[in-house]
Amino acid sequence: KAGVTQTPRYLIKTRGQQVTLSCSPISGHRSVSWYQQTPGQGLQFLFEYFSETQRNKGNFPGRFSGRQFSNSRSEMNVSTLELGDSALYLCASGTGTENTEAFFGQGTRLTVV
Amino acid sequence: GQSLEQPSEVTAVEGAIVQINCTYQTSGFYGLSWYQQHDGGAPTFLSYNALDGLEETGRFSSFLSRSDSYGYLLLQELQMKDSASYFCAVPGGAGTALIFGKGTTLSVSS
Repeated sequence: KAGVTQTPRYLIKTRGQQVTLSCSPISGHRSVSWYQQTPGQGLQFLFEYFSETQRNKGNFPGRFSGRQFSNSRSEMNVSTLELGDSALYLCASGTGTENTEAFFGQGTRLTVV
Repeated sequence: GQSLEQPSEVTAVEGAIVQINCTYQTSGFYGLSWYQQHDGGAPTFLSYNALDGLEETGRFSSFLSRSDSYGYLLLQELQMKDSASYFCAVPGGAGTALIFGKGTTLSVSS
């Protein structure tokens, strides 16, 4: 069974640009969540999508947005990039119907210069 | 709001036992999860406690006390490969939305 796939793995962007990250969940999983990981703040929850609807949202500015497609693939967009957006962005997938296990992808390492 | 507190670092030697504590404050509580993350790797699920008590999975055990808003991860017979960061987390509902503690870095030496 293929795991969670995130693309690209690495990305370098300039301040002010926008970026789109992609996440393909495990087949059959309908819940996809996004996280930002930095050394200072740890793993912070951005948002969760379930069956194409945003079900939960963390405490991030509106520059961070996402969506989920009918095949459960998800994208995350960050507009007007700031230096502080440099981080590892992780996506996790799960069935969405039980509080047991979230399966994480390897992440996208975003560097803003 | 929701917050989880855990120690930032723990050190131990091979073969030893280590306990990583986690206290939490949440507006709603579904259970407590633990994840392991090696440097450069993805977090991987270790355990989930929805009810009070001890859950054992091989060398790892996890405990929950809902009345004390407290849990711990117990790692026995430590091996070098157990050197990693360990995160406690609480689910925000039935899906993959998790609130994580800041993580505990475990260093195992020989």
